[in-house]
Amino acid sequence: AQSVTQLGSHVSVSEGALVLLRCNYSSSVPPYLFWYVQYPNQGLQLLLKYTTGATLVKGINGFEAEFKKSETSFHLTKPSAHMSDAAEYFCAVSGGSNYKLTFGKGTLLTVNP
Amino acid sequence: DSGVTQTPKHLITATGQRVTLRCSPRSGDLSVYWYQQSLDQGLQFLIQYYNGEERAKGNILERFSAQQFPDLHSELNLSSLELGDSALYFCASSVGSDYSYNEQFFGPGTRLTVL
Repeated sequence: AQSVTQLGSHVSVSEGALVLLRCNYSSSVPPYLFWYVQYPNQGLQLLLKYTTGATLVKGINGFEAEFKKSETSFHLTKPSAHMSDAAEYFCAVSGGSNYKLTFGKGTLLTVNP
Repeated sequence: DSGVTQTPKHLITATGQRVTLRCSPRSGDLSVYWYQQSLDQGLQFLIQYYNGEERAKGNILERFSAQQFPDLHSELNLSSLELGDSALYFCASSVGSDYSYNEQFFGPGTRLTVL
């Protein structure tokens, strides 16, 4: 079984500041990990994913995430926040290609001017 | 625009009724996924179809059913509706059946309100 915990349902940062969205997972098998972004009134869009290989994963819009097995974490970061980053972010885990995606509750990111 | 279309955009109905949500995947995509997003349950995977066949099942209630047609569009049928079924229902599609390697593209969703 898999589960995801996103720490902080709401994160607020200033424009130009570091963005850090936290995700911890639980999985009984080697996990595949994903970050999705949802803009208001839209569907989800894949930001990045980790399946195997390099633990630092780069995604779209300047985001990256690092898989840390020892900490069971997959935190999402961006060095400098932009107003257009304001959205809800979802971390998701699957236990491989034949397992369903399990999503976290989401973190709403607000970017202040 | 992801290329995935969903109709209708909004649906308001009464308890006990039955509704059908429709999804057209991106051109060339063979897999269709259905998700339910609600305030209390969050985003939950319901079911996946690949090229007309059921591929994976998630937290789908017995009152709900889905199918994928030969032209690859999919329908999600919700029956004996309850207040708690009010949610945003997303459809997503991907090229292959393995979503770890094939990105899922999400539609804009259908907002269902049960009164």
